[in-house]
Amino acid sequence: DVKVTQSSRYLVKRTGEKVFLECVQDMDHENMFWYRQDPGLGLRLIYFSYDVKMKEKGDIPEGYSVSREKKERFSLILESASTNQTSMYLCASSLWSTGQGGETQYFGPGTRLLVL
Amino acid sequence: SQKIEQNSEALNIQEGKTATLTCNYTNYSPAYLQWYRQDPGRGPVFLLLIRENEKEKRKERLKVTFDTTLKQSLFHITASQPADSATYLCALAPGSGNTGKLIFGQGTTLQVKP
Repeated sequence: DVKVTQSSRYLVKRTGEKVFLECVQDMDHENMFWYRQDPGLGLRLIYFSYDVKMKEKGDIPEGYSVSREKKERFSLILESASTNQTSMYLCASSLWSTGQGGETQYFGPGTRLLVL
Repeated sequence: SQKIEQNSEALNIQEGKTATLTCNYTNYSPAYLQWYRQDPGRGPVFLLLIRENEKEKRKERLKVTFDTTLKQSLFHITASQPADSATYLCALAPGSGNTGKLIFGQGTTLQVKP
């Protein structure tokens, strides 16, 4: 079974703190993704990575950065947390894609982040 | 502009009936369309994938159709059970060369009452 794990299920941080969210997958997938999910807005892509040290901005990258030093690990960094970054963060992975949408994404359990 | 739309209103049905959820898209020409299930507080879980040259795909009580002319996919759950209550998301690739990105609909919440 594919397993995607996230470092925390719940996290409470203060405004201005640097926050690290970690994601690890055990299926040797090339692609990894970070989304945030908010009520009424659905899943929005923050960043994705298609190889070690490679990254691409998604739809809402502002205020976030990412790191992928090893194939199995993809970190999301909130440089200076703000209250509008309170959300559910979901990590996913998939095999390398031809770009036609045939590769399934496997999601982690999510991290619910509260920024005070 | 490109859009993928699912009915944002919750769907309430009685146990045993067939639930039908709709996914419409505009300005895409997807080769595949995927459906996921998401339970509260959890990550989405893949259910089914259908290719553009397949009209219909089945898996146990689930059936998906894909009409590229109407730009619509329908997701059916037959003999629904309370355990089927969840949010269902459709997803497709935004275009070629995107290395695995998917665009997700906002999801439709299904509530099956005993």
